[in-house]
Amino acid sequence: GAGVSQSPSNKVTEKGKDVELRCDPISGHTALYWYRQSLGQGLEFLIYFQGNSAPDKSGLPSDRFSAERTGGSVSTLTIQRTQQEDSAVYLCASTDGTVGEKLFFGSGTQLSVL
Amino acid sequence: AQRVTQPEKLLSVFKGAPVELKCNYSYSGSPELFWYVQYSRQRLQLLLRHISRESIKGFTADLNKGETSFHLKKPFAQEEDSAMYYCALSGSSFNKFYFGSGTKLNVKP
Repeated sequence: GAGVSQSPSNKVTEKGKDVELRCDPISGHTALYWYRQSLGQGLEFLIYFQGNSAPDKSGLPSDRFSAERTGGSVSTLTIQRTQQEDSAVYLCASTDGTVGEKLFFGSGTQLSVL
Repeated sequence: AQRVTQPEKLLSVFKGAPVELKCNYSYSGSPELFWYVQYSRQRLQLLLRHISRESIKGFTADLNKGETSFHLKKPFAQEEDSAMYYCALSGSSFNKFYFGSGTKLNVKP
Protein backbone atom coordinates (compact mmCIF):
# COMPACT_ATOMS: atom_id res chain seq x y z
CA GLY A 1 0.00 0.00 0.00
CA ALA A 2 0.90 3.65 -0.21
CA GLY A 3 1.23 4.17 3.50
CA VAL A 4 0.55 2.83 6.97
CA SER A 5 -3.08 1.83 7.28
CA GLN A 6 -5.01 1.65 10.54
CA SER A 7 -8.49 0.40 11.26
CA PRO A 8 -10.97 1.27 12.48
CA SER A 9 -10.51 5.02 12.28
CA ASN A 10 -12.98 5.47 15.15
CA LYS A 11 -14.06 3.07 17.85
CA VAL A 12 -16.63 3.71 20.53
CA THR A 13 -16.97 1.06 23.20
CA GLU A 14 -18.41 0.56 26.62
CA LYS A 15 -16.28 0.34 29.71
CA GLY A 16 -15.27 -3.24 30.37
CA LYS A 17 -15.40 -4.40 26.76
CA ASP A 18 -12.38 -5.62 24.79
CA VAL A 19 -11.19 -3.86 21.64
CA GLU A 20 -8.80 -4.73 18.83
CA LEU A 21 -6.99 -2.13 16.78
CA ARG A 22 -5.29 -3.06 13.55
CA CYS A 23 -2.20 -1.70 11.81
CA ASP A 24 -1.00 -2.57 8.33
CA PRO A 25 2.54 -1.17 7.88
CA ILE A 26 4.27 -0.19 4.68
CA SER A 27 5.29 -3.27 2.74
CA GLY A 28 8.85 -4.27 3.53
CA HIS A 29 9.09 -2.27 6.73
CA THR A 30 10.55 -4.47 9.42
CA ALA A 31 10.00 -2.15 12.38
CA LEU A 32 6.55 -1.34 13.74
CA TYR A 33 5.59 0.88 16.64
CA TRP A 34 2.44 1.63 18.60
CA TYR A 35 2.00 4.97 20.33
CA ARG A 36 -0.83 6.52 22.29
CA GLN A 37 -1.62 10.19 21.76
CA SER A 38 -3.52 11.98 24.47
CA LEU A 39 -4.25 15.67 24.90
CA GLY A 40 -1.44 17.26 26.86
CA GLN A 41 0.46 13.97 27.10
CA GLY A 42 2.15 13.91 23.75
CA LEU A 43 3.08 10.60 22.21
CA GLU A 44 3.39 7.75 24.67
CA PHE A 45 5.41 4.76 23.47
CA LEU A 46 3.58 1.46 23.87
CA ILE A 47 5.36 -1.32 22.04
CA TYR A 48 7.96 -1.89 19.31
CA PHE A 49 8.44 -4.82 16.94
CA GLN A 50 11.64 -5.31 14.96
CA GLY A 51 11.79 -8.21 12.54
CA ASN A 52 11.78 -11.56 14.33
CA SER A 53 13.20 -10.16 17.56
CA ALA A 54 11.23 -10.24 20.78
CA PRO A 55 9.06 -7.10 20.96
CA ASP A 56 9.91 -4.26 23.32
CA LYS A 57 6.81 -4.12 25.51
CA SER A 58 8.23 -1.70 28.04
CA GLY A 59 5.66 1.00 27.28
CA LEU A 60 2.49 -1.01 27.77
CA PRO A 61 0.66 0.68 30.67
CA SER A 62 -0.93 -2.44 32.15
CA ASP A 63 -1.46 -6.14 31.52
CA ARG A 64 -4.78 -5.26 29.88
CA PHE A 65 -2.76 -4.15 26.87
CA SER A 66 -1.15 -6.61 24.47
CA ALA A 67 -0.02 -6.62 20.88
CA GLU A 68 1.06 -9.11 18.31
CA ARG A 69 2.51 -8.97 14.86
CA THR A 70 1.76 -11.84 12.56
CA GLY A 71 4.07 -12.83 9.75
CA GLY A 72 6.19 -9.76 10.28
CA SER A 73 3.50 -7.57 8.80
CA VAL A 74 0.06 -6.74 10.24
CA SER A 75 -0.13 -5.90 13.92
CA THR A 76 -3.05 -5.96 16.32
CA LEU A 77 -3.19 -4.01 19.56
CA THR A 78 -5.69 -5.48 22.02
CA ILE A 79 -7.06 -3.69 25.06
CA GLN A 80 -9.01 -5.88 27.44
CA ARG A 81 -11.62 -4.65 29.91
CA THR A 82 -11.36 -1.10 28.60
CA GLN A 83 -11.41 1.81 31.03
CA GLN A 84 -12.32 5.44 30.40
CA GLU A 85 -8.69 6.46 30.78
CA ASP A 86 -7.88 4.31 27.75
CA SER A 87 -9.66 6.87 25.55
CA ALA A 88 -7.05 8.33 23.20
CA VAL A 89 -5.77 8.19 19.65
CA TYR A 90 -3.71 5.06 19.04
CA LEU A 91 -1.05 5.58 16.39
CA CYS A 92 0.91 3.02 14.49
CA ALA A 93 4.17 3.76 12.70
CA SER A 94 6.67 1.77 10.69
CA THR A 95 10.22 2.14 9.39
CA ASP A 96 12.58 0.04 7.35
CA GLY A 97 14.50 -0.74 10.52
CA THR A 98 17.56 1.37 9.78
CA VAL A 99 18.76 3.12 12.92
CA GLY A 100 17.67 6.75 12.80
CA GLU A 101 15.35 6.24 9.85
CA LYS A 102 12.18 8.30 9.93
CA LEU A 103 8.83 6.99 11.09
CA PHE A 104 5.86 6.71 8.76
CA PHE A 105 2.65 7.13 10.73
CA GLY A 106 -0.85 5.88 10.16
CA SER A 107 -3.84 8.15 10.61
CA GLY A 108 -4.66 6.58 13.94
CA THR A 109 -7.63 5.03 15.70
CA GLN A 110 -9.67 7.34 17.92
CA LEU A 111 -10.82 5.18 20.83
CA SER A 112 -13.63 6.43 23.04
CA VAL A 113 -14.57 4.43 26.11
CA LEU A 114 -17.96 5.39 27.54
CA ALA B 1 17.24 7.45 30.89
CA GLN B 2 16.17 8.94 27.60
CA ARG B 3 13.84 11.91 27.84
CA VAL B 4 12.60 14.68 25.56
CA THR B 5 11.22 17.89 27.03
CA GLN B 6 9.18 20.50 25.22
CA PRO B 7 8.46 23.17 27.82
CA GLU B 8 5.80 25.06 25.88
CA LYS B 9 2.39 23.50 25.35
CA LEU B 10 1.19 26.43 23.28
CA LEU B 11 3.04 29.10 21.37
CA SER B 12 1.21 31.96 19.67
CA VAL B 13 2.94 34.39 17.30
CA PHE B 14 1.86 36.82 14.64
CA LYS B 15 2.44 36.15 10.97
CA GLY B 16 5.89 37.32 9.94
CA ALA B 17 7.32 37.09 13.44
CA PRO B 18 10.21 34.76 14.27
CA VAL B 19 9.36 31.54 16.02
CA GLU B 20 11.39 29.16 18.16
CA LEU B 21 10.02 25.91 19.52
CA LYS B 22 12.17 24.59 22.32
CA CYS B 23 13.33 21.02 22.74
CA ASN B 24 15.73 19.64 25.32
CA TYR B 25 16.79 16.03 25.60
CA SER B 26 18.47 13.67 27.98
CA TYR B 27 20.57 10.90 26.47
CA SER B 28 24.04 9.70 27.32
CA GLY B 29 25.05 8.49 23.86
CA SER B 30 24.95 10.03 20.38
CA PRO B 31 21.39 11.05 19.70
CA GLU B 32 19.45 11.21 16.48
CA LEU B 33 17.06 14.14 16.77
CA PHE B 34 13.93 14.81 14.77
CA TRP B 35 11.04 17.22 14.52
CA TYR B 36 7.66 15.81 13.52
CA VAL B 37 4.63 17.92 12.63
CA GLN B 38 0.91 17.25 12.60
CA TYR B 39 -1.26 19.66 10.64
CA SER B 40 -4.99 19.77 11.29
CA ARG B 41 -6.71 16.58 10.11
CA GLN B 42 -3.46 15.14 8.72
CA ARG B 43 -1.23 12.37 9.96
CA LEU B 44 1.98 12.94 11.84
CA GLN B 45 4.92 13.41 9.49
CA LEU B 46 8.62 14.12 9.60
CA LEU B 47 9.56 17.79 9.32
CA LEU B 48 13.31 17.51 9.60
CA ARG B 49 16.14 15.54 11.21
CA HIS B 50 19.48 16.83 12.35
CA ILE B 51 21.62 14.34 10.41
CA SER B 52 20.32 15.77 7.14
CA ARG B 53 21.07 19.35 8.14
CA GLU B 54 18.22 20.38 5.89
CA SER B 55 15.76 23.23 5.91
CA ILE B 56 12.16 22.30 5.31
CA LYS B 57 9.49 24.97 4.78
CA GLY B 58 11.94 27.53 6.13
CA PHE B 59 12.46 25.67 9.42
CA THR B 60 15.89 24.79 10.75
CA ALA B 61 17.13 23.12 13.90
CA ASP B 62 20.62 22.94 15.30
CA LEU B 63 21.77 20.23 17.63
CA ASN B 64 23.57 21.76 20.62
CA LYS B 65 25.19 18.90 22.50
CA GLY B 66 26.51 21.21 25.22
CA GLU B 67 23.03 22.43 26.07
CA THR B 68 21.38 19.15 24.98
CA SER B 69 18.94 21.11 22.88
CA PHE B 70 17.43 20.87 19.41
CA HIS B 71 15.29 23.97 19.10
CA LEU B 72 13.23 24.50 15.95
CA LYS B 73 13.41 27.94 14.38
CA LYS B 74 11.86 29.91 11.57
CA PRO B 75 12.61 33.57 10.91
CA PHE B 76 9.18 34.51 9.54
CA ALA B 77 6.19 32.44 10.61
CA GLN B 78 3.32 31.82 8.19
CA GLU B 79 -0.31 31.00 9.00
CA GLU B 80 0.09 27.59 7.37
CA ASP B 81 2.74 26.75 9.98
CA SER B 82 0.00 26.44 12.58
CA ALA B 83 0.21 22.83 13.74
CA MET B 84 1.32 20.52 16.53
CA TYR B 85 5.08 20.00 16.65
CA TYR B 86 6.83 17.09 18.34
CA CYS B 87 10.51 16.74 19.05
CA ALA B 88 11.79 13.16 19.00
CA LEU B 89 14.96 11.31 19.90
CA SER B 90 16.38 8.03 18.75
CA GLY B 91 19.70 6.51 19.68
CA SER B 92 22.65 5.59 17.53
CA SER B 93 22.48 2.05 18.82
CA PHE B 94 18.76 1.49 19.06
CA ASN B 95 15.75 2.25 16.97
CA LYS B 96 13.24 3.28 19.61
CA PHE B 97 11.83 6.78 19.37
CA TYR B 98 11.08 8.99 22.36
CA PHE B 99 8.75 11.93 21.83
CA GLY B 100 8.20 15.13 23.73
CA SER B 101 4.75 16.22 24.83
CA GLY B 102 4.39 18.51 21.83
CA THR B 103 3.99 22.24 21.25
CA LYS B 104 0.98 23.66 19.52
CA LEU B 105 2.00 26.56 17.31
CA ASN B 106 -0.65 29.11 16.48
CA VAL B 107 0.27 31.72 13.90
CA LYS B 108 -2.15 34.63 13.97
CA PRO B 109 -2.89 36.79 10.93
